[in-house]
Amino acid sequence: EAGVVQSPRYKIIEKKQPVAFWCNPISGHNTLYWYRQNLGQGPELLIRYENEEAVDDSQLPKDRFSAERLKGVDSTLKIQPAELGDSAVYLCASSLEGTDPNTEAFFGQGTRLTVV
Amino acid sequence: AQSVTQLDSQVPVFEEAPVELRCNYSSSVSVYLFWYVQYPNQGLQLLLKYLSGSTLVKGINGFEAEFNKSQTSFHLRKPSVHISDTAEYFCAVSETSYDKVIFGPGTSLSVIP
Repeated sequence: EAGVVQSPRYKIIEKKQPVAFWCNPISGHNTLYWYRQNLGQGPELLIRYENEEAVDDSQLPKDRFSAERLKGVDSTLKIQPAELGDSAVYLCASSLEGTDPNTEAFFGQGTRLTVV
Repeated sequence: AQSVTQLDSQVPVFEEAPVELRCNYSSSVSVYLFWYVQYPNQGLQLLLKYLSGSTLVKGINGFEAEFNKSQTSFHLRKPSVHISDTAEYFCAVSETSYDKVIFGPGTSLSVIP
């Protein structure tokens, strides 16, 4: 069974340009997470989806970040315009049931964004 | 508010030696605790978790961790490390459920041949 698939793996853009990341979760997983991992730090949750509904986006910088999961399957995270401080690894994860700690969240390999 | 402290940012250890990676958390309520491993250029993988019950938790790849409520700690141990254990290790805590997991800053384990 395929794991969580993210693309692209690496992205270099100039500041003020837009960028988008794509995530395809494990089949059947209702819950999808986007995390940001700054260099030398642990991941921080940006947004969590239950099916197509964003149930927790309190940490998402809404002035420049947006996300969607239109059909409750794959998801896109967008930044427009990008700033130098957005350079980080963006991780996507999915789980069967987001509120049950007995389930496990599976992480993708991440997209490493460099803003120059 | 909950938080996680990993006291050692880098831990070098010789192959086949034991290792302990320290984790302390702060929370005013009961917690769930997790250890994740991140190999170079990979996503995070769950090593083990404590939800309730026995305070000694065994995970994959020979790792184990012990929950100590009085010391608010959840240290990770392995009796004999291998080169393949070289990776970044993250301790994480959640007060309620999986959707509110807070990660520590990570400990970089380097196994020396």
